[in-house]
Amino acid sequence: DAKTTQPPSMDCAEGRAANLPCNHSTISGNEYVYWYRQIHSQGPQYIIHGLKNNETNEMASLIITEDRKSSTLILPHATLRDTAVYYCIGYYNQGGKLIFGQGTELSVKP
Amino acid sequence: GAVVSQHPSRVICKSGTSVKIECRSLDFQATTMFWYRQFPKKSLMLMATSNEGSKATYEQGVEKDKFLINHASLTLSTLTVTSAHPEDSSFYICSARPWSGQETQYFGPGTRLLVL
Repeated sequence: DAKTTQPPSMDCAEGRAANLPCNHSTISGNEYVYWYRQIHSQGPQYIIHGLKNNETNEMASLIITEDRKSSTLILPHATLRDTAVYYCIGYYNQGGKLIFGQGTELSVKP
Repeated sequence: GAVVSQHPSRVICKSGTSVKIECRSLDFQATTMFWYRQFPKKSLMLMATSNEGSKATYEQGVEKDKFLINHASLTLSTLTVTSAHPEDSSFYICSARPWSGQETQYFGPGTRLLVL
């Protein structure tokens, strides 16, 4: 599984966009980039995933660079409930395993 | 859709007893389920991969006789912590992968185990 690097923590003002970066320079061509988040004392929640195209759903947008060495998760209008640890994971979708790194602890402040 | 439940949500037991944790996929079938543990302020650590109808595959350093995994049906996997000790106290989380070909894993809410 690809090793990912994320900043340990970030702050964001409520109502503003939260942009969470992830470096995955060793990702292979068939590994997806998955994002999960974990709110305190809960199980991780799936957010979004992509292979090489940008993706958007009701929760977030995922921007993957053309060389696939990095990506950015965008929460367009962060709320206090978005305060969580966000994990970026390289995942081989044919029988792969989700291996969690340290993630980014996002604090959304009023 | 894609809901995974765990039972119990929290359990306190005495040292030396065994504790069983259930993981269920409520609205989909899962040929593969995964078990993780998480210590305070740490990330999730994968313990084992559970495949329906076959033996679980354990990650390096995880004792298979200590953490018994049974995946008896396409919607249920159980983790039994045998002869629990205080150092086994942790947050145990399962995930399930639908067998529909869609590879996203969905996680349960977790079970907090405290061994006295």
